[in-house]
Amino acid sequence: GIQVEQSPPDLILQEGANSTLRCNFSDSVNNLQWFHQNPWGQLINLFYIPSGTKQNGRLSATTVATERYSLLYISSSQTTDSGVYFCAVEGGSYKLIFGSGTRLLVRP
Amino acid sequence: DAGITQSPRHKVTETGTPVTLRCHQTENHRYMYWYRQDPGHGLRLIHYSYGVKDTDKGEVSDGYSVSRSKTEDFLLTLESATSSQTSVYFCAISGLAGVPEQYFGPGTRLTVT
Repeated sequence: GIQVEQSPPDLILQEGANSTLRCNFSDSVNNLQWFHQNPWGQLINLFYIPSGTKQNGRLSATTVATERYSLLYISSSQTTDSGVYFCAVEGGSYKLIFGSGTRLLVRP
Repeated sequence: DAGITQSPRHKVTETGTPVTLRCHQTENHRYMYWYRQDPGHGLRLIHYSYGVKDTDKGEVSDGYSVSRSKTEDFLLTLESATSSQTSVYFCAISGLAGVPEQYFGPGTRLTVT
């Protein structure tokens, strides 16, 4: 099956800093999504981005499908950005396979 | 807000007892999923449904069964709970108007003693 690897596993930032999170996947996909799990456990869909670039406020994502990776950019980080960021790709029939996540801590 | 709720939100039960978790959606999404989340394992798919009465297994389905008799409800049953099923369970939905984005419920924390 498809393998999904995220890096780095952990990241600590000072408020206001920028960061890039990476997701590598082992096979071609037509469905890739990014999620944020906040410290209270809630999972929020950030982007559906099988290819190309999307932006939503301070967050943007780029997927290069031909090279099998996706990047999530966080600019001017805030303490509310803390949590775990998951990348997930489709493993058939709308089923998602999740990476192990990047745990982000933004310090004030 | 994708209109998805889970009940109960917290449950403590004893080994060997049956447990049913409920996922309810209000927006007519075709697909519904049950995941479990454990430290060191991320999110793993237990079962999913692609329509009323249409379900299939995920990667960690042993010890679990599901049912979907109505579009809006997806039930997860632990026939005889074990301590290894202590976890946080998330329901998710997708497929409204053919859009594959998944939206998650708030989760159910289950403890099996």
